[in-house]
Amino acid sequence: DQQVKQNSPSLSVQEGRISILNCDYTNSMFDYFLWYKKYPAEGPTFLISISSIKDKNEDGRFTVFLNKSAKHLSLHIVPSQPGDSAVYFCAAKGSGNTPLVFGKGTRLSVIA
Amino acid sequence: DAGITQSPRHKVTETGTPVTLRCHQTENHRYMYWYRQDPGHGLRLIHYSYGVKDTDKGEVSDGYSVSRSKTEDFLLTLESATSSQTSVYFCAISESGSHQPQHFGDGTRLSIL
Repeated sequence: DQQVKQNSPSLSVQEGRISILNCDYTNSMFDYFLWYKKYPAEGPTFLISISSIKDKNEDGRFTVFLNKSAKHLSLHIVPSQPGDSAVYFCAAKGSGNTPLVFGKGTRLSVIA
Repeated sequence: DAGITQSPRHKVTETGTPVTLRCHQTENHRYMYWYRQDPGHGLRLIHYSYGVKDTDKGEVSDGYSVSRSKTEDFLLTLESATSSQTSVYFCAISESGSHQPQHFGDGTRLSIL
């Protein structure tokens, strides 16, 4: 029973265009959401997060949107660059000492 | 980069042998975690620690044990390795507080033949 779902295993985008990565969750107790980026042979790198009291958080080219009623979040990358090519993981957790739950990842390829 | 070192980075061993993976941090963070990453499964939590000698099980803890005798070190042990434990293992750390991101080491690739 997957609590965090990334339904697109892969995504290809042209350089300079917008990349939109999607994530759905089922647990209404989740109140903190994160995106990680992972290159081959490296550990995941924290990108951006959002708490449930907000619906948008922006950091440079990266913006995360949260729609609590739909239990959906998305990561927008604008403009996309070839160096953004990586696997992106969505993760979520509840309050207190609860563990992160990860989605299975989406592989983004940015084509020059 | 967060000061997290995993050792060894690669290991090949045989079924039935004991294996210990080490995670060392220099950030003095309270929380430490062990994950495994497998194709089609993303990252799954094995065990985590919320302080010295304080540990708890994660989603896929069977066949694994952990120990944390010092703040900076978190050990993952496979008492008798099986081929199903072939995977990439990641350690992560985080500060106290509900809304703190975890930061990951670069992983250990473990192959059990």
